[in-house]
Amino acid sequence: QKEVEQDPGPLSVPEGAIVSLNCTYSNSAFQYFMWYRQYSRKGPELLMYTYSSGNKEDGRFTAQVDKSSKYISLFIRDSQPSDSATYLCAMILSYNTDKLIFGTGTRLQVFP
Amino acid sequence: DTGVSQNPRHKITKRGQNVTFRCDPISEHNRLYWYRQTLGQGPEFLTYFQNEAQLEKSRLLSDRFSAERPKGSFSTLEIQRTEQGDSAMYLCASRQPGQGKTEAFFGQGTRLTVV
Repeated sequence: QKEVEQDPGPLSVPEGAIVSLNCTYSNSAFQYFMWYRQYSRKGPELLMYTYSSGNKEDGRFTAQVDKSSKYISLFIRDSQPSDSATYLCAMILSYNTDKLIFGTGTRLQVFP
Repeated sequence: DTGVSQNPRHKITKRGQNVTFRCDPISEHNRLYWYRQTLGQGPEFLTYFQNEAQLEKSRLLSDRFSAERPKGSFSTLEIQRTEQGDSAMYLCASRQPGQGKTEAFFGQGTRLTVV
């Protein structure tokens, strides 16, 4: 079993839809949770991060962490064709390590 | 350009050849990371440096792989005796001292194809 599980998709939605992207994880020691966006043939870029449980909002993006369920989500409101990309969740353990553990990524396509 | 720079962007090599990639991090970022990403997968951690010191290496980093950051600025990743399974995108990231664990910025990657 992988430490971080993410549905690879693809997820196809119409423009303007609300998108929900999710990851589950097995290690309860994870403390820092991130979402990266990766366009084709580009490096990942950081979208959102949260520390421990809770919600964080930034424009059209909302990140949620539920540590009791080991479940994190990213919501995209009013999705745009420019949001079409692969979305990667990533996590960091709380102790003595700085490496990101990534999910497999979910490919999202927003059609006009 | 103030982003993380990686060269070359693409590399095609024959099996058995050695290859070397270069990463120039964002200025004054003391932490530098190498990841490998295969098609349809998320990036996998390989190794990271704080200044010139290599602090952690993944068991994915076999004896054929070596990374250096001799002056604490740019880094190189060398793969000796390449195998077809080495074909992947090699990503470099850097982080600014003083920020939280989360603020790592990635380069565009070097795509390696071993034929």
